[in-house]
Amino acid sequence: DIQMTQSPSSLSASVGDRVTITCRASQSISSYLNWYQQKPGKAPKLLIYAASSLQSGVPSRFSGSGSGTDFTLTISSLQPEDFATYYCQQSYSTPRITFGPGTKVDIK
Amino acid sequence: EVQLVESGGGLVQPGGSLRLSCAASGFTFSSYAMSWVRQAPGKGLEWVSAISGSGGSTYYADSVKGRFTISRDNSKNTLYLQMNSLRAEDTAVYYCAKNTIAAAGTRGGWFDPWGQGTLVTVSS
Repeated sequence: DIQMTQSPSSLSASVGDRVTITCRASQSISSYLNWYQQKPGKAPKLLIYAASSLQSGVPSRFSGSGSGTDFTLTISSLQPEDFATYYCQQSYSTPRITFGPGTKVDIK
Repeated sequence: EVQLVESGGGLVQPGGSLRLSCAASGFTFSSYAMSWVRQAPGKGLEWVSAISGSGGSTYYADSVKGRFTISRDNSKNTLYLQMNSLRAEDTAVYYCAKNTIAAAGTRGGWFDPWGQGTLVTVSS
């Protein structure tokens, strides 16, 4: 199975900060990479699909980039509602998709 | 509005069985693959199983193969997960999720939306 790693595992940031989360695949996955946001007690929500496409309704402060094995999720100006856990997910080896371990973003 | 509503979770003893359901609305159910993804308490997301839009192809994670069975009734717009021989490590919130493609085995796609989840607790 393709292993996904994320860094950092957690971070503390302030409102207005630029935040970058990195996701790395154990082998090349082209652009088959999606990002989800999960708030406590809630289901995950799709933010970015195919590495860099913004899901409809998601604020433009979220962006994704990368291909191959290295990917990033960037929040250009952190807002109070963005404090959550973020997961990357590869769909290269569908149906055996795998998720990264998550990055928790909390308030500094 | 696309909506997924899970039900059927609860407390079950080790070795027991449980059947989860996921009622779908707001889209042509048979046109999309569906998946189950679980999350153990305080842990990350783990893909469990997937089924094609027609129901003709099914896939399982190694951790549940031989114990869980995914199925769907396209006439009722409902997805199921039959869970047998349950273990303590199966304790988790189980989410159903809509794939963006019909064939679950096709590369690509993503999960959108997800249901609210149903908690399965395996304990004596």
